[in-house]
Amino acid sequence: RKEVEQDPGPFNVPEGATVAFNCTYSNSASQSFFWYRQDCRKEPKLLMSVYSSGNEDGRFTAQLNRASQYISLLIRDSKLSDSATYLCVVNIAGGSYIPTFGRGTSLIVHP
Amino acid sequence: NAGVTQTPKFQVLKTGQSMTLQCAQDMNHNSMYWYRQDPGMGLRLIYYSASEGTTDKGEVPNGYNVSRLNKREFSLRLESAAPSQTSVYFCASSARDLNTEAFFGQGTRLTVV
Repeated sequence: RKEVEQDPGPFNVPEGATVAFNCTYSNSASQSFFWYRQDCRKEPKLLMSVYSSGNEDGRFTAQLNRASQYISLLIRDSKLSDSATYLCVVNIAGGSYIPTFGRGTSLIVHP
Repeated sequence: NAGVTQTPKFQVLKTGQSMTLQCAQDMNHNSMYWYRQDPGMGLRLIYYSASEGTTDKGEVPNGYNVSRLNKREFSLRLESAAPSQTSVYFCASSARDLNTEAFFGQGTRLTVV
């Protein structure tokens, strides 16, 4: 079982829709959490960190549930430009904090 | 504003050939990583280096070697390339702090024929 699990999708939604992605992690030593965005044939880039109290950045809301070991990302008012793959990332404590990636969830926003 | 620089961007190898992927970062980060990304598999860690002079195996280290040449540079070597190593390779770096993000290079698209 992978340490970080995501539904690969694709999620196919119309412009203006609200869409939510979930991610579960199995290692209780996980210390910090992120959502990255990856466009086709490009490198992953940080979308937002995920804090214990939940956090919002414009149309994006991230939440963390440590008891159930899952992270969520909510995108409101979807834009065509939101089409991408969204990667859940967990920094797992060891000798270093190693970014461990889920397989990614593909989002396609259509007109 | 270079961040993480990887070379080359594209490479085609014949089975059995060797090559080294180069990676350098200018953000004074302690930790550096090599990942490979295959369709449907996400990013899988090959090797990482928590600090200059140290390297450790990740999830899929077989067939690869690494060198942390100095704090800036972390190279990945394929001694005898196999078709199963056809993939996109990403180098990344991060500070060693708990809540730090990783920064990625643009990737190397490697095809082994």
